[in-house]
Amino acid sequence: DAGITQSPRHKVTETGTPVTLRCHQTENHRYMYWYRQDPGHGLRLIHYSYGVKDTDKGEVSDGYSVSRSKTEDFLLTLESATSSQTSVYFCAISDGQGLNTEAFFGQGTRLTVV
Amino acid sequence: AQSVTQLGSHVSVSEGALVLLRCNYSSSVPPYLFWYVQYPNQGLQLLLKYTTGATLVKGINGFEAEFKKSETSFHLTKPSAHMSDAAEYFCAVSDPRGDYKLSFGAGTTVTVRA
Repeated sequence: DAGITQSPRHKVTETGTPVTLRCHQTENHRYMYWYRQDPGHGLRLIHYSYGVKDTDKGEVSDGYSVSRSKTEDFLLTLESATSSQTSVYFCAISDGQGLNTEAFFGQGTRLTVV
Repeated sequence: AQSVTQLGSHVSVSEGALVLLRCNYSSSVPPYLFWYVQYPNQGLQLLLKYTTGATLVKGINGFEAEFKKSETSFHLTKPSAHMSDAAEYFCAVSDPRGDYKLSFGAGTTVTVRA
């Protein structure tokens, strides 16, 4: 398995509080992504990174921010959690070298906002 | 922009029967195509991918998929279903010119009947 660790694996938080999810990789891959998974929607891209301090928005970025200060770590922050952000969050990494175009996924973080 | 449509949110097959999961995509350029599988409470695992070359690609666990440009399809098949194939399956597409971001279909849940 690709070396991807997400923390925490489960979290319950209250509406209006900030929350940070962490993704740590040991593969030295250039690209890192945050997706959310919701029934009927598959996975949708929140933000991604193409290098240290280089990030960009995905299709559902409102209410989220990210940071990548080191190759191995990619943080996702919910600035003020809302119930609509209750979801399962997946981090993914990709090498992007040659035809190594596939993404490898972490085990996910189940976030509940009450 | 790219999009993926998976036909059928639920598929039920008998053990030993053919598994056929349908995926159609929309892309302005020849895309990279992927099938992922997700078992309960786990992350996504790559089944197979198409990047270039042979249009029939073989993956893990006896699955294969065929890229048909004229039909903009990438259907997944397995000749004989096993109980262990019960899972959710996702088709995904990425733009080769981009940062390997994936656009996912909504997913198809496969149930295998004994």
